[in-house]
Amino acid sequence: KAGVTQTPRYLIKTRGQQVTLSCSPISGHRSVSWYQQTPGQGLQFLFEYFSETQRNKGNFPGRFSGRQFSNSRSEMNVSTLELGDSALYLCASSSGLAPNTGELFFGEGSRLTVL
Amino acid sequence: AQRVTQPEKLLSVFKGAPVELKCNYSYSGSPELFWYVQYSRQRLQLLLRHISRESIKGFTADLNKGETSFHLKKPFAQEEDSAMYYCALNQAGTALIFGKGTTLSVSS
Repeated sequence: KAGVTQTPRYLIKTRGQQVTLSCSPISGHRSVSWYQQTPGQGLQFLFEYFSETQRNKGNFPGRFSGRQFSNSRSEMNVSTLELGDSALYLCASSSGLAPNTGELFFGEGSRLTVL
Repeated sequence: AQRVTQPEKLLSVFKGAPVELKCNYSYSGSPELFWYVQYSRQRLQLLLRHISRESIKGFTADLNKGETSFHLKKPFAQEEDSAMYYCALNQAGTALIFGKGTTLSVSS
């Protein structure tokens, strides 16, 4: 069974630009969650999608958005990039159904550097 | 507000010594708690969950609702246990809220 795949793995952007990150979940998984990981703040929840609907959202500004497609693949977008957006963005998939909603399978992450 | 606190950034022990990684939580409902682990150059992965009450790789964790804690324990640490450990709380069944993590370093 293929794991969670994230692309691109590394990218460099400049302030003010926008970026789109992609995540392909494990086959059969309908839930995709996104996290921002930084040395200072650790893992912070961005949002979770299940069957193309956003079910939960973290405390991030509206510049951070996401979507999920009918094949469960997900994208997240960050507009008007700021230096503080430099981070590792992790995607995780799960069945999305109780009792396994907390069992997440993580990708390797997309490392974003904003200059 | 829901919160997960891991008070130690780094825990260093010798091989064979007992290990306790602390986790405290704040949650108004019935908590569902997990421990995740990230070994060097590997993906973050689930170690154990409180519902299953199982021992994984010699680690156990007991939910103490009175003390709002979910500490991870192992009686005899091994060098291969060196990793970053995260405690996580399942919020509303749709989002895992993570603590900031504790780095466990086991030396011989």
